[in-house]
Amino acid sequence: EDKVVQSPLSLVVHEGDTVTLNCSYEVTNFRSLLWYKQEKKAPTFLFMLTSSGIEKKSGRLSSILDKKELSSILNITATQTGDSAIYLCAVLASGTYKYIFGTGTRLKVLA
Amino acid sequence: NAGVTQTPKFQVLKTGQSMTLQCAQDMNHNSMYWYRQDPGMGLRLIYYSASEGTTDKGEVPNGYNVSRLNKREFSLRLESAAPSQTSVYFCASSAEGQGAGYFGPGTRLTVL
Repeated sequence: EDKVVQSPLSLVVHEGDTVTLNCSYEVTNFRSLLWYKQEKKAPTFLFMLTSSGIEKKSGRLSSILDKKELSSILNITATQTGDSAIYLCAVLASGTYKYIFGTGTRLKVLA
Repeated sequence: NAGVTQTPKFQVLKTGQSMTLQCAQDMNHNSMYWYRQDPGMGLRLIYYSASEGTTDKGEVPNGYNVSRLNKREFSLRLESAAPSQTSVYFCASSAEGQGAGYFGPGTRLTVL
């Protein structure tokens, strides 16, 4: 059965810290991995990683896909209180249209 | 562009009542999805529609039905609501089921 596992479940840091969030997956015929940020409402898209695009960066956020280890990390440097959110990882398998989501990592950044 | 819109934003039902959640997208996406989100469970797929005219079951389809009315609209129906269906429901769409999924604002449903 396809599965996505995120760790840690929750994390509390202080502003300025760097955090690393993990996502591991077991999916038949992997196609892509996506990261989302969810604040109070709907998830918003951050990155999509594929076999041809294993590293993405946007400002203080970056993500890497390790196809050998079947995992991805999301790094946030110089964290700010506005980074407080649930970070979701989802994986899409080839031949399907179904995104399988992990349960998320709840990040809280203290001022 | 409005993106993905959902109605209603909030709803309270009594056990056994029925209702339809509406979703529409204006991004010309082929694929549309209904998820529910419960504490500690992440987002679970209820139904999806790869393209207009097709629908398929996701992970937790029991108690729900869907209709892909046209390319823009995908509705979710609860025929006889149960307290276990208390949740936040999100509609999403994506291009060809490949790229990023874009989510609607969600509907918070409470079944008493």
